[in-house]
Amino acid sequence: AQSVTQLGSHVSVSEGALVLLRCNYSSSVPPYLFWYVQYPNQGLQLLLKYTTGATLVKGINGFEAEFKKSETSFHLTKPSAHMSDAAEYFCAVSDRVLTGGGNKLTFGTGTQLKVEL
Amino acid sequence: GAGVSQSPSNKVTEKGKDVELRCDPISGHTALYWYRQSLGQGLEFLIYFQGNSAPDKSGLPSDRFSAERTGGSVSTLTIQRTQQEDSAVYLCASSPQPGRGDTQYFGPGTRLTVL
Repeated sequence: AQSVTQLGSHVSVSEGALVLLRCNYSSSVPPYLFWYVQYPNQGLQLLLKYTTGATLVKGINGFEAEFKKSETSFHLTKPSAHMSDAAEYFCAVSDRVLTGGGNKLTFGTGTQLKVEL
Repeated sequence: GAGVSQSPSNKVTEKGKDVELRCDPISGHTALYWYRQSLGQGLEFLIYFQGNSAPDKSGLPSDRFSAERTGGSVSTLTIQRTQQEDSAVYLCASSPQPGRGDTQYFGPGTRLTVL
């Protein structure tokens, strides 16, 4: 069975500092990996995803993530944090197609990012 | 364009009552998913629709939970005889084309509180 581990339920950084949110996955087949962001009282918004091809994936709002198969990791980074980045971030894996062709996402427990002045 | 919408945004009910949660997906999206977000369990898949059919209901936690979709559009998640453990945020997502790498677009959720 697939699973996702996000180390650190809360991460705090200073504005302008590097953001690093960690995600490790377990999958029996080549995984598809996703990062979503959730702002208060809103749904999840896709930041980026890895399916196949280039292992460094660039997303919205300056975020990027690198798929490292040998480390089973898909860490999310941003060079310079902004106050507006404060939100909860979820890593997710999809390693199988649902009955009928759908895409079941298995999510990590989330990391709350706080950005301080 | 319009995103996924859900109603109500908040629902407070008494234990034992039935509730209906509604999801309006993005127009033209054939795939629709329901997830539940709770403090104890995180984000969990509940059910998947392709058109009006639900080929995968493997995440529904009990037979008190059911869902339907009509006209390839609106979906309703029904919880009968609600229990306190049903308290959670129920999220709906839609996708233009189902598949393992599809991008799911999420609505804002319905926060259900069972007293």
